[in-house]
Formats: sequence, C-alpha cells, structure tokens
Amino acid sequence: GAVVSQHPSRVICKSGTSVKIECRSLDFQATTMFWYRQFPKQSLMLMATSNEGSKATYEQGVEKDKFLINHASLTLSTLTVTSAHPEDSSFYICSARVPTNYGYTFGSGTRLTVV
Amino acid sequence: AQSVTQLGSHVSVSEGALVLLRCNYSSSVPPYLFWYVQYPNQGLQLLLKYTTGATLVKGINGFEAEFKKSETSFHLTKPSAHMSDAAEYFCAVSEGAAGNKLTFGGGTRVLVKP
Repeated sequence: GAVVSQHPSRVICKSGTSVKIECRSLDFQATTMFWYRQFPKQSLMLMATSNEGSKATYEQGVEKDKFLINHASLTLSTLTVTSAHPEDSSFYICSARVPTNYGYTFGSGTRLTVV
Repeated sequence: AQSVTQLGSHVSVSEGALVLLRCNYSSSVPPYLFWYVQYPNQGLQLLLKYTTGATLVKGINGFEAEFKKSETSFHLTKPSAHMSDAAEYFCAVSEGAAGNKLTFGGGTRVLVKP
C-alpha cells in the first residue's frame, strides 16, 4: 500500500517550453506532498511542500513562478516547469506523507532534459 | 531545526562482508528516523524507520538500524553484503509525529566487490 505514481518517467523538451509532472497517490489520500530536485550524485533538495487546496510553500531560493505546484485534490499534485531552460534539467521526485504510519512514500522520479 | 550527517559519501565492501553506514542527526524534538535506498534513475524505497518503541529496527533485505539517543545516531547495518545492495543510501529525519518535511543526509554510495 501507500503508492505514489509519478509521470512521466522521462521527458525531453525544448528550451522555452513548459513541462508538467504529475504525482498521484493511488491508495491513500495525500493531504501533503513534497517536491524534490536531485542533481547527479547528490542528495534530494526540497523544493516545495504542497497542501491540498492551498498554496504551496516554497523553500528559500526556489522560484515559485518557474516551478508551479498545484495540489487540487487529495490524490493529485502537479509540478509545472515553466519556460524551461537547460539548467532546469534534473531529476524531480515527489513524495507524500502516509497518514497511517508516519512514513513517507516516493514517486519513481522524472528525468527532465531541456535541449 | 534538524540536520542529518552521513559519514562517508562512498563505501566499498566485499560481497559477504558487513555493511555499515553511519548516520548522525540533530533535532530539537524526538525524531523519527528513516533509511531509504535509491537505485539509478529511480525513486526512494524505504528500508526501515524508527518512530517509537524498540530502538533496534529491522527492515527489508536484511538491513537493520539502531536508534541511539545518547549518540544521536541511527547507523544502518547488514551482516552480509550482496551484489544487489550496490546503490545509494539516504538517512533522513522528521520532527516526530507532528513533523512534516523530511531532512536528508548527503547520501552514501555503496559499491559491492565480488
């Protein structure tokens, strides 16, 4: 149980375009989801925390206008990278807190390449 | 505020040897502690977690970890390494039951030699 499905797993887009990444909780209600960015051979960096029905809370240094997060339902959160540039190329991972066991479950990640 | 330090960004072990990955944390409240494993281009898989109760926690794939409050540590061990254990391992902490976000350590890459 407590599965988060993340799509797409890989995406290549042209510079200047926008890309949407989806995370769905399949068998539980995720009131809070987290979005991370991971650079090669590095740890996960928290970008933002999204709560269902309210605005996301962004970590310091993360551009909220570039990384749009929407958490419109208890089972879906989306991250949209707007006007993507090559420096936005990275591995993006979502996560949700599992309400029944104080754990956190992670999506399988999205490899974004901006060309 | 909370933080996590993983000693050693890379660990090399021989197949069949003990795996020991070190994790120290700081937290202003009783922490919940986690170990995750990540294979290339994949998300994180939970190995084990400590919330309350028994301080020796057993997880999947033969891993276990012991919460030592006096040492603020949560080291991960496996008695006998397998080739499939080659991966990146992350220690993480949240601020107990009321905690929200996870704070990660820098990660330790494990290489298993045949």
